[in-house]
Amino acid sequence: DAGITQSPRYKITETGRQVTLMCHQTWSHSYMFWYRQDLGHGLRLIYYSAAADITDKGEVPDGYVVSRSKTENFPLTLESATRSQTSVYFCASSYTDRGRGNEQFFGPGTRLTVL
Amino acid sequence: AQSVTQLGSHVSVSEGALVLLRCNYSSSVPPYLFWYVQYPNQGLQLLLKYTSAATLVKGINGFEAEFKKSETSFHLTKPSAHMSDAAEYFCAVSNTGGFKTIFGAGTRLFVKA
Repeated sequence: DAGITQSPRYKITETGRQVTLMCHQTWSHSYMFWYRQDLGHGLRLIYYSAAADITDKGEVPDGYVVSRSKTENFPLTLESATRSQTSVYFCASSYTDRGRGNEQFFGPGTRLTVL
Repeated sequence: AQSVTQLGSHVSVSEGALVLLRCNYSSSVPPYLFWYVQYPNQGLQLLLKYTSAATLVKGINGFEAEFKKSETSFHLTKPSAHMSDAAEYFCAVSNTGGFKTIFGAGTRLFVKA
């Protein structure tokens, strides 16, 4: 089924562990994004990617690593999880036709709890 | 730099009443403006967007928004609220030359029976 998917949907981990959140889109969108959503902060951009092998930092990149070897996948890794990284993480994608307004398409989110 | 301010973190209306969610933006270049809706345990989905074609934009589920450059506003309205409209709504801005989007903090809409 076409769309943007995230896995896992729920994850509980412990402080210091490495965690990878997966994101996959079937539209061949060039741009992909990772956000975290926390109460009172709305959505904050962690990292984004303009194309395969091109990534850049967003507003809150510390403690996170991304890669994009294929256009359709954009995994987010927490190298050593901390309690402050407990959040809901959203992946999104967007096409590159700027005349159409660059709307983003969101995945269903991953709820991560770091104990 | 661009920014978005949503006035009111919570709005409560009665079923059948007017819905008005306020959004003000700041942008040094012509903006694209968006309203997204988020239902519980789901990702955001686009309600409507302004891309300079028309100042009054109609979206899904009976919502509309008006771009007012002089007021730097993009308020979201719906004439008659329905219980199913209860959700969180996000206003967002991006510039016409870019792809990064700045989201507001969100407004949670409650609809009373």
